[in-house]
Amino acid sequence: IAGITQAPTSQILAAGRRMTLRCTQDMRHNAMYWYRQDLGLGLRLIHYSNTAGTTGKGEVPDGYSVSRANTDDFPLTLASAVPSQTSVYFCASSLEPATDTQYFGPGTRLTVL
Amino acid sequence: AQSVAQPEDQVNVAEGNPLTVKCTYSVSGNPYLFWYVQYPNRGLQFLLKYITGDNLVKGSYGFEAEFNKSQTSFHLKKPSALVSDSALYFCAVRDPMNSGGYQKVTFGTGTKLQVIP
Repeated sequence: IAGITQAPTSQILAAGRRMTLRCTQDMRHNAMYWYRQDLGLGLRLIHYSNTAGTTGKGEVPDGYSVSRANTDDFPLTLASAVPSQTSVYFCASSLEPATDTQYFGPGTRLTVL
Repeated sequence: AQSVAQPEDQVNVAEGNPLTVKCTYSVSGNPYLFWYVQYPNRGLQFLLKYITGDNLVKGSYGFEAEFNKSQTSFHLKKPSALVSDSALYFCAVRDPMNSGGYQKVTFGTGTKLQVIP
């Protein structure tokens, strides 16, 4: 079934540890995104990629990094996790960056202690 | 800067009654507008979008939204609510006047819809 998968589903992490959240799509979409969802704040964009080989910073990029080595995969790395990074993380993709609908993965619930 | 507001944190409606979830926006140009729905422990799902053309947009699950440029609104509506419509609804806006490499989509903070049997 076409769509976006994310792994892990949930994770509890000690502060200071490194963590990579995985995201894979099989729709051959050009653009991919990482959001965090926090109560009362809605969705905030962390990083984006308009096409394979390019990435850019969103609204809240500090403490996170991404790579886009190919069309399908867009991992998000927390180099040294802090408690304020406790959140639900959603990966999304769209055929084109501009007018197209975004398709979301099921999310990763991350708790940093 | 573009922004979107969902003035109601929660909307309660009786099953079978019409429902409205409100959204207002602010952009410098003509907006691209979206509605998404999120069910518990799930990612967001696309409902409908307005890019250009007819101000009344029809989407999935019987939902529709009306683009009102003078009121800068894009309210989500459904003629008859179902209990299964209970979920979190997000309005989103993109300003096509934004230049550069990032075509930013701004999401609202969400409105929880509760349909009461």
